Amino acid sequence: DGGITQSPKYLFRKEGQNVTLSCEQNLNHDAMYWYRQDPGQGLRLIYYSQIVNDFQKGDIAEGYSVSREKKESFPLTVTSAQKNPTAFYLCASSQARGGTPYEQYFGPGTRLTVT
Amino acid sequence: RKEVEQDPGPFNVPEGATVAFNCTYSNSASQSFFWYRQDCRKEPKLLMSVYSSGNEDGRFTAQLNRASQYISLLIRDSKLSDSATYLCVVKTANTGNQFYFGTGTSLTVIP
Repeated sequence: DGGITQSPKYLFRKEGQNVTLSCEQNLNHDAMYWYRQDPGQGLRLIYYSQIVNDFQKGDIAEGYSVSREKKESFPLTVTSAQKNPTAFYLCASSQARGGTPYEQYFGPGTRLTVT
Repeated sequence: RKEVEQDPGPFNVPEGATVAFNCTYSNSASQSFFWYRQDCRKEPKLLMSVYSSGNEDGRFTAQLNRASQYISLLIRDSKLSDSATYLCVVKTANTGNQFYFGTGTSLTVIP
């Protein structure tokens, strides 16, 4: 089955530690995205990548880093510089053919709690 | 001004009712429009894309008004299983193919 996987589902870390969230897709999608969702709020874009070895900052990139070494994988590192890292992190992917409507598909998310 | 705005609700409706949600977007260059459904503590799932001519999928009807820059979703004959948060999503090519999400409209269908 094609889809997007994120691991782990729940993650607990101590303040000051970096943590990397995994996102893998086998949909052969070009574009991948990382969002953060806080309770009662909408999704906010952290980083996105339209092709391998290239990515752009979203609205709230500070304190986060990403890499896109393979088409299937787009890991997100939450660094100790992120002031409020506790949140629900969602990875998504989509085709990237300009001019044609296409949808985003989401992974199941990772709930990160930092204490 | 937010890229996408939705009435957060909540909408509490009885089973069988018809309910409509609206969403406005600010960028006139927006080119793709979607409704997603998000259940509590789950990921958003695509409900339907919204096409210029309007489109229907069973009990769900989506409309796009480019002149007024709004999108609507109509749910007929509401079911208990329709209870969720509905997210309006807009994609704009001139901002690097980013997707912009509304904060969502909460729907509870009451028996």
